[in-house]
Amino acid sequence: NAGVTQTPKFQVLKTGQSMTLQCAQDMNHNSMYWYRQDPGMGLRLIYYSASEGTTDKGEVPNGYNVSRLNKREFSLRLESAAPSQTSVYFCASRRGASNEQFFGPGTRLTVL
Amino acid sequence: RKEVEQDPGPFNVPEGATVAFNCTYSNSASQSFFWYRQDCRKEPKLLMSVYSSGNEDGRFTAQLNRASQYISLLIRDSKLSDSATYLCVVNMQNTDKLIFGTGTRLQVFP
Repeated sequence: NAGVTQTPKFQVLKTGQSMTLQCAQDMNHNSMYWYRQDPGMGLRLIYYSASEGTTDKGEVPNGYNVSRLNKREFSLRLESAAPSQTSVYFCASRRGASNEQFFGPGTRLTVL
Repeated sequence: RKEVEQDPGPFNVPEGATVAFNCTYSNSASQSFFWYRQDCRKEPKLLMSVYSSGNEDGRFTAQLNRASQYISLLIRDSKLSDSATYLCVVNMQNTDKLIFGTGTRLQVFP
């Protein structure tokens, strides 16, 4: 099992460019999540999906969109990147409400 | 007030020392509790779940005090490899969301 995979690992964008961060899990988990992590701020939830076909906003959704393509895949899209979106982005998945989350290795995004 | 609060540290301790981290949470409806470990430039990984009766895993002991809304992690006989950031994590009842503390950084020196 690969667990949770994310692509790309690193990305540099110019302000105004768009991109999609990909995430996939092979653990048959129902819930998937996107977080960003900034120094001193901890992990902040951007969007999550409790099951295939549903998505909900987290703490910091502005400037992002998501798609739960199927049970395995959950993508995060930046339509018009801004320097404030420079961060490390983690995808995670979880089997159920009382279970641990498994994280992907992260995407380091820099917006110039 | 933050939903999950931790002392950011850093805690600098010598090898072999015992160190304790504390965490408080604000929502009394919180249901599940975890400690995660995050190494520098890596993803968070589960260290241990925290059960109401307290639980131990080798050198690590976790305690939960629901009345005081307080969670602790005790590390005995610290190793150099324990150097990392420790995240306190709380799940509220009937939600799919985990709330992460900002983490406590531990540095173990020889």
